[in-house]
Amino acid sequence: QVQLVQSGAEVKKPGASVKVSCKASGYTFTGYYMHWVRQAPGQGLEWMGWINPNSGGTNYAQKFQGRVTMTRDTSISTAYMELSRLRSDDTAVYYCARDSPYSTYTLDPWGQGTLVTVSS
Amino acid sequence: QSVLTQPPSASGTPGQRVTISCSGSSSNIGSNTVNWYQQLPGTAPKLLIYSNNQRPSGVPDRFSGSKSGTSASLAISGLQSEDEADYYCAAWDDSLNAVVFGGGTKLTVL
Repeated sequence: QVQLVQSGAEVKKPGASVKVSCKASGYTFTGYYMHWVRQAPGQGLEWMGWINPNSGGTNYAQKFQGRVTMTRDTSISTAYMELSRLRSDDTAVYYCARDSPYSTYTLDPWGQGTLVTVSS
Repeated sequence: QSVLTQPPSASGTPGQRVTISCSGSSSNIGSNTVNWYQQLPGTAPKLLIYSNNQRPSGVPDRFSGSKSGTSASLAISGLQSEDEADYYCAAWDDSLNAVVFGGGTKLTVL
């Protein structure tokens, strides 16, 4: 079955960077865009962008441009999201989610989430 | 401030029918399809409805979606205690070139 498994929780200091991984299995990794979405504690969902695992092309939400980098390693079917110059309000659970074959920009399934805590 | 507008809360008793609204604009709901996600407490979101009114396999037919103009709605009939969750609408926005979400609606089963 299609599965996305993310890396473990991280604690970072303000100004540092974090890199979260998302390992895909059960489908052709290069066949579907991979999205990244975050959720601050007690808050709603916020889309960060997508990467095309086939070409490496990306589309970042304007809010994160200049601070986020999405990459992939097709040899191990893994997508990565790196966020730099971390601030306390970047504390959130970060999810990867595959673009669904049902419809473009439909996110299904989702990874289990990675908690990133930014604290001095 | 979310691009799509949802009521922050909704509630109903077991067996009842509840609806959750989602309001947008011509650049998102007005020109693209709407998806709904269910987030049970402490878990990752799960796709509930795609393309306005389609259910993925495994989603009970108690859940239905509709869209009209720049608004959409999710209906849950025969409400069950396990439906208590946060529900989010989402759509592609042509102006922002981004996926946009509603702020989420917390459904309480009384």
